[in-house]
Amino acid sequence: EVQLVESGGGLVQPGGSLRLSCEASGFTFSTNWMHWVRQAPGKGLVWVSLIDADGTGTRYADSVKGRFSISRDNAKNTLFLQMNSLRAEDTAVYYCVKVNHQLYYFDYWGQGALVTVSS
Amino acid sequence: SYDLTQSPSVSVSPGQTAAITCSGDKLGDKYVCWYRQKAGQSPVMIIYQDNKRPSGIPERFSGSNSGNTATLTISGTQPMDEADYYCQTWDSTTAVFGGGTRLAVL
Repeated sequence: EVQLVESGGGLVQPGGSLRLSCEASGFTFSTNWMHWVRQAPGKGLVWVSLIDADGTGTRYADSVKGRFSISRDNAKNTLFLQMNSLRAEDTAVYYCVKVNHQLYYFDYWGQGALVTVSS
Repeated sequence: SYDLTQSPSVSVSPGQTAAITCSGDKLGDKYVCWYRQKAGQSPVMIIYQDNKRPSGIPERFSGSNSGNTATLTISGTQPMDEADYYCQTWDSTTAVFGGGTRLAVL
């Protein structure tokens, strides 16, 4: 059974940093591209970032470029999102998402980690 | 950047057909997926590659995509279908989501 379990969310002050982790199991993590998608309270889904299977290729939404960094540890089946210079508008539930790269859809989602940026 | 537009809400009576649309420039040239998100839950894919249903998704869910509009159709809508529905496509390797449509079954 595929499982994606996020951790590391919490309350942080504006300008602060937070690191999200996503522990994957039930599939061959090292051969799959992974994404982060976020959802602000009461709002829609917004794509944040992606990383390719070996971690050499990454992409970011314009809203987080230069502040967020995605990475992975294939030996530990773990995906990360380092978030720096956090702003109130970054407040959201952050989902770790596996993509089916052959059929072009997100096939498994984590339960989400809530990040609240507030003083 | 590429944008997808959805109506914020759709209402339907139980047993009737609901149509949720998603529009974007030349959207018919791209693959579209649809996700259902019930309150407090993570999204679940219900349609991929415009019109394909994964196993476990009822036949009453169908999709189409042509021109500038993709449509999710729910036939014989049931109260359990109340949820937020999101369309999604790809702009190169980055994902783009529509703003979501809340389906009310009244």
